[in-house]
Amino acid sequence: AQSVTQLDSHVSVSEGTPVLLRCNYSSSYSPSLFWYVQHPNKGLQLLLKYTSAATLVKGINGFEAEFKKSETSFHLTKPSAHMSDAAEYFCVVSDIWECGGGADGLTFGKGTHLIIQP
Amino acid sequence: NAGVTQTPKFQVLKTGQSMTLQCAQDMNHEYMSWYRQDPGMGLRLIHYSVGAGITDQGEVPNGYNVSRSTTEDFPLRLLSAAPSQTSVYFCASSYRTVSSYNEQFFGPGTRLTVL
Repeated sequence: AQSVTQLDSHVSVSEGTPVLLRCNYSSSYSPSLFWYVQHPNKGLQLLLKYTSAATLVKGINGFEAEFKKSETSFHLTKPSAHMSDAAEYFCVVSDIWECGGGADGLTFGKGTHLIIQP
Repeated sequence: NAGVTQTPKFQVLKTGQSMTLQCAQDMNHEYMSWYRQDPGMGLRLIHYSVGAGITDQGEVPNGYNVSRSTTEDFPLRLLSAAPSQTSVYFCASSYRTVSSYNEQFFGPGTRLTVL
């Protein structure tokens, strides 16, 4: 069964400092991996996705993530945090052939709340 | 394109009342789904549809019904609302193929309170 673990429920950084949001996954097959962002009272927006091409994936707003199969990780990073980055971030693993995910093959992490200190 | 739209944005119900949450997409996506979001729980799948006339249950289907008469619309019905159904509901759609999975597009959500 596939699963995803976001290692931190809350992360607080100062504006201008690097951001690291950690995500570990498990899947028996070759998954697709996504990071979504949710700003307060908004829907989810795709930040970036990995679908077995380049292991370093660049997304919107300066975010990027690296797929590390040996570590089963897909951590999200940004070199310099901005106040507008304050939001909830979800790591999602997808394998339509895997049992144990939701019926659509997606498994959501429980989210990491990113706080940006001025 | 409007993308995925949901109505209403907010709703307050009394226990036992019924209502329908509306969802529509204009991207000709085959796949549509409903999630609920509760604090600390991430998103949980309620029902999904892989095309018009085809629906199936997700992780937490009890107390909800769906139908898919057209490609564009995927309403979610609460038959007899309960306080446990207080949540934020998201509709999503995607173009899904057999061999790959594409990103889901989410609506803005409906915030439901059941008293």
